Amino acid sequence: DAKTTQPTSMDCAEGRAANLPCNHSTISGNEYVYWYRQIHSQGPQYIIHGLKNNETNEMASLIITEDRKSSTLILPHATLRDTAVYYCIARRGGNNNDMRFGAGTRLTVKP
Amino acid sequence: DTAVSQTPKYLVTQMGNDKSIKCEQNLGHDTMYWYKQDSKKFLKIMFSYNNKELIINETVPNRFSPKSPDKAHLNLHINSLELGDSAVYFCASSRLAGQETQYFGPGTRLLVL
Repeated sequence: DAKTTQPTSMDCAEGRAANLPCNHSTISGNEYVYWYRQIHSQGPQYIIHGLKNNETNEMASLIITEDRKSSTLILPHATLRDTAVYYCIARRGGNNNDMRFGAGTRLTVKP
Repeated sequence: DTAVSQTPKYLVTQMGNDKSIKCEQNLGHDTMYWYKQDSKKFLKIMFSYNNKELIINETVPNRFSPKSPDKAHLNLHINSLELGDSAVYFCASSRLAGQETQYFGPGTRLLVL
């Protein structure tokens, strides 16, 4: 699976959009981009995933560049409860279904 | 209803003991996993079972033995516990192996003294 690079930490004002970048320049054609988050002391929570098209669900939007070398997770109206570590994972399919979590980005939403 | 549940939530034990952590999912998923999150917060997969069969076994000491009595349960048994086993252990499940979203349990915090 391709390595991903994320900033160590970011701050965001409550009510504003949080834009979390992820670099995956060595991603291969069959690797999806997944985003999970981990709120303090809880299990990781799935947010969204995509292959090459932009995706949106009730939690967030995922913007993937045309060359697929980077992506951005957007939380449109961040709340204090969105404070968490956000993980970007490039992941292929198949039965060898391991997800490689990196260090992630610690997002702090401030009032 | 909790989708993926783990027991116990906290486990404090002495070095050398044998302990088990239980995991159950009520999502009807075929694949279950165990992850370990160490003190530096890195989350690493340990095992993956698909329909009660082992499909991933990362480099984990053989003191760790997963047991899947049915596809809704994947228990983790640890023999001869060591200080370095102290961590948070997360169970997860997905509908199938492959490109499937994984749903995580709340974690079991293991402290070995």
